[in-house]
Amino acid sequence: GENVEQHPSTLSVQEGDSAVIKCTYSDSASNYFPWYKQELGKRPQLIIDIRSNVGEKKDQRIAVTLNKTAKHFSLHITETQPEDSAVYFCAARRWTDKLIFGTGTRLQVFP
Amino acid sequence: EAQVTQNPRYLITVTGKKLTVTCSQNMNHEYMSWYRQDPGLGLRQIYYSMNVEVTDKGDVPEGYKVSRKEKRNFPLILESPSPNQTSLYFCASSLLGELFFGEGSRLTVL
Repeated sequence: GENVEQHPSTLSVQEGDSAVIKCTYSDSASNYFPWYKQELGKRPQLIIDIRSNVGEKKDQRIAVTLNKTAKHFSLHITETQPEDSAVYFCAARRWTDKLIFGTGTRLQVFP
Repeated sequence: EAQVTQNPRYLITVTGKKLTVTCSQNMNHEYMSWYRQDPGLGLRQIYYSMNVEVTDKGDVPEGYKVSRKEKRNFPLILESPSPNQTSLYFCASSLLGELFFGEGSRLTVL
């Protein structure tokens, strides 16, 4: 079955710097890769996703890149702000199969 | 308002006392799922359901039961809770892509 590894587990950056979180997946048939943000004490919420027919997707300060050959995808946050501080989860899924999550990255943005 | 509702939000119970965590969604989603969240382990899937009367085990199903008699409801049942089931539980639903999570249920088993 699918296995998703996520790194780093914690990440501290200065406000205004960029943050990058990386995930690798094992099932080459996976075709959907979402990223969820979970603020302290709240539920995970989708922030961006990408499908396997696309190499990169951007939404304002966040972007996701996908390398199907290497089976890894990354979340990029530019110009980080304190409100970006949260736990971020990557996930992978093929077709209508179950979504498999990474173990999460705790991002802290210091002012 | 589109939402996934879980109850109870907080519960402290004792070993062996059966409990049910309810989950209801009003978005007519076919797919529903239960996750538990533990520090350092991320979100692990307990059970999921692709549609009414169809349920499947996730990665950590031991000690849990579910049922899907109606599309909107997907209760999680702990027949005989044990301390290792102390965790934060999330119910989620989806149509084809984005998962919508409930607010979570924090369960403590003494």
